[in-house]
Amino acid sequence: NAGVTQTPKFQVLKTGQSMTLQCAQDMNHEYMSWYRQDPGMGLRLIHYSVGAGITDQGEVPNGYNVSRSTTEDFPLRLLSAAPSQTSVYFCASRDLNYGYTFGSGTRLTVV
Amino acid sequence: GQSLEQPSEVTAVEGAIVQINCTYQTSGFYGLSWYQQHDGGAPTFLSYNALDGLEETGRFSSFLSRSDSYGYLLLQELQMKDSASYFCAVRSYSGGYQKVTFGTGTKLQVIP
Repeated sequence: NAGVTQTPKFQVLKTGQSMTLQCAQDMNHEYMSWYRQDPGMGLRLIHYSVGAGITDQGEVPNGYNVSRSTTEDFPLRLLSAAPSQTSVYFCASRDLNYGYTFGSGTRLTVV
Repeated sequence: GQSLEQPSEVTAVEGAIVQINCTYQTSGFYGLSWYQQHDGGAPTFLSYNALDGLEETGRFSSFLSRSDSYGYLLLQELQMKDSASYFCAVRSYSGGYQKVTFGTGTKLQVIP
């Protein structure tokens, strides 16, 4: 099925560890983005990309890095995990009519 | 700045009709979208309104009034599987680019 694939689905990290959340889409969407979702706060934009080689910061970028070497892939890297980064992370791509397709999410716990 | 307001929780009876409201404040408004998210799942697209009026898709309808900065999602013939969170999202144009901002969501509980 076409869509957005995120891995891993679950992850536990120790404070200070780094990791990369993977995201891939096969719909040839130029726009991709990463959100975090915390209780009562909706979806907050971390970073986004409007095409290969172009990335920009969203609302809550601190502690995260992204890169976009291909249209399909948009990984999110946590540089040095902190308990405040415990959250559910969603990758999404967007079509030309601004409709979003979300991945299944990554539940991250930092201890 | 930008803001969206929607109720945090709504409870409705199976078979009934429920309306979930969304009010927004933004400049450069383009349109209003709605997404559904079941517990533990990903948000999925339901509808998009760029013009005033009602858009119907099966049991779900979405309404927009640009002059009132207001929209709603209407769910008819409620089923237990409709228990989920519903997010409104505003598409707007600002500072030379378009963006989409999501509301904090309304948790709908359908009871027998």
